[in-house]
Amino acid sequence: AQSVTQLDSQVPVFEEAPVELRCNYSSSVSVYLFWYVQYPNQGLQLLLKYLSGSTLVKGINGFEAEFNKSQTSFHLRKPSVHISDTAEYFCAVGGKGTYKYIFGTGTRLKVLA
Amino acid sequence: NAGVMQNPRHLVRRRGQEARLRCSPMKGHSHVYWYRQLPEEGLKFMVYLQKENIIDESGMPKERFSAEFPKEGPSILRIQQVVRGDSAAYFCASSPLGTGEETQYFGPGTRLLVL
Repeated sequence: AQSVTQLDSQVPVFEEAPVELRCNYSSSVSVYLFWYVQYPNQGLQLLLKYLSGSTLVKGINGFEAEFNKSQTSFHLRKPSVHISDTAEYFCAVGGKGTYKYIFGTGTRLKVLA
Repeated sequence: NAGVMQNPRHLVRRRGQEARLRCSPMKGHSHVYWYRQLPEEGLKFMVYLQKENIIDESGMPKERFSAEFPKEGPSILRIQQVVRGDSAAYFCASSPLGTGEETQYFGPGTRLLVL
């Protein structure tokens, strides 16, 4: 069975400050990990994904995430946020042999001027 | 290349009515997934379909909900006799091969409000 935990439901941060959104997972199979962003009243857009290989994954809009197998984490980071990054961010886990994504409950990032 | 299309974007129904949600996958994609997002929650898997086949409906409520993906035309998620608890955003996603490492591409969702 797989599960995803996003510990922070809301993260306020000032513009141009760094941000880290946390994601922890559990899985009994090899995992594939995804971060999606959802802007208000819109669908989900893929930011980045980890399948294998390098544990540091770079995505769109300046985001990156690091896969840490020992800590079962896949935290999302950005060194300097913009107002336009205000959105909800979802971590999801898939796995070898399964097509289902299991989503976390989301983290609402609010960037303050 | 058009993305995943869903319509309607917003749907209002009274209790007891039927809701039909449509999803057209990306061109070249034959695998469709439906997810439901309840207020203040993450997305929950409902059903996975290929053309003319339901592969996995383990996330679908046992009653009132059904899904299809015919040979021609969009995938349809049908909710009969809607209740207030069905109010949610329903997202469709598609992928080309149906494997775990693929990216699933999501549509903009249908926001269902049951009065």
